[in-house]
Amino acid sequence: NAGVTQTPKFQVLKTGQSMTLQCAQDMNHEYMSWYRQDPGMGLRLIHYSVGAGITDQGEVPNGYNVSRSTTEDFPLRLLSAAPSQTSVYFCASRGTSTDTQYFGPGTRLTVL
Amino acid sequence: EDKVVQSPLSLVVHEGDTVTLNCSYEVTNFRSLLWYKQEKKAPTFLFMLTSSGIEKKSGRLSSILDKKELFSILNITATQTGDSAIYLCAVKRMDSNYQLIWGAGTKLIIKP
Repeated sequence: NAGVTQTPKFQVLKTGQSMTLQCAQDMNHEYMSWYRQDPGMGLRLIHYSVGAGITDQGEVPNGYNVSRSTTEDFPLRLLSAAPSQTSVYFCASRGTSTDTQYFGPGTRLTVL
Repeated sequence: EDKVVQSPLSLVVHEGDTVTLNCSYEVTNFRSLLWYKQEKKAPTFLFMLTSSGIEKKSGRLSSILDKKELFSILNITATQTGDSAIYLCAVKRMDSNYQLIWGAGTKLIIKP
């Protein structure tokens, strides 16, 4: 099993550009989520999904969109990048019978 | 408002020392508390503590949960340079389908 995979590992955008961060898991987990991590602020939940076709907002959803057309994939879209979105982004998944989350390797995004 | 507070924010010790990291929480309908270790990339799972499992141990790492005083500690004995990392604490509520409430983390540096 590859676990949770994320692409790209690094990305630099200009203000106003859009892009999609990819996330996939091969553990047949129902729950998937996106976090951003900023220094001194821990992990903050952006959006999450409890199954294919179902998504919901987390703590900091503004400026981001998600979709969940399959169990495996959960892409995060930045609609119009802003410098405030410079951060490290983590995708995570977990099964329904446990609280333990498995994280992807992260994407370091810089918005100029 | 639910919150999870970790202390100290950072800690520098010498190899061989014992360290204790703290996680206090104010969360309604507590279900479980999780500890993660984050080195250069994604967080990796360490322990989960619940009402039915308030003490966990793995090698030099151990953790306890005090549900009365609403805190948990993570203890590391005979520290090694490989223990240098950010240690994250998160709490899951009974009534939340998904969301974890994260602390800001403790940055631990072990000097040789």
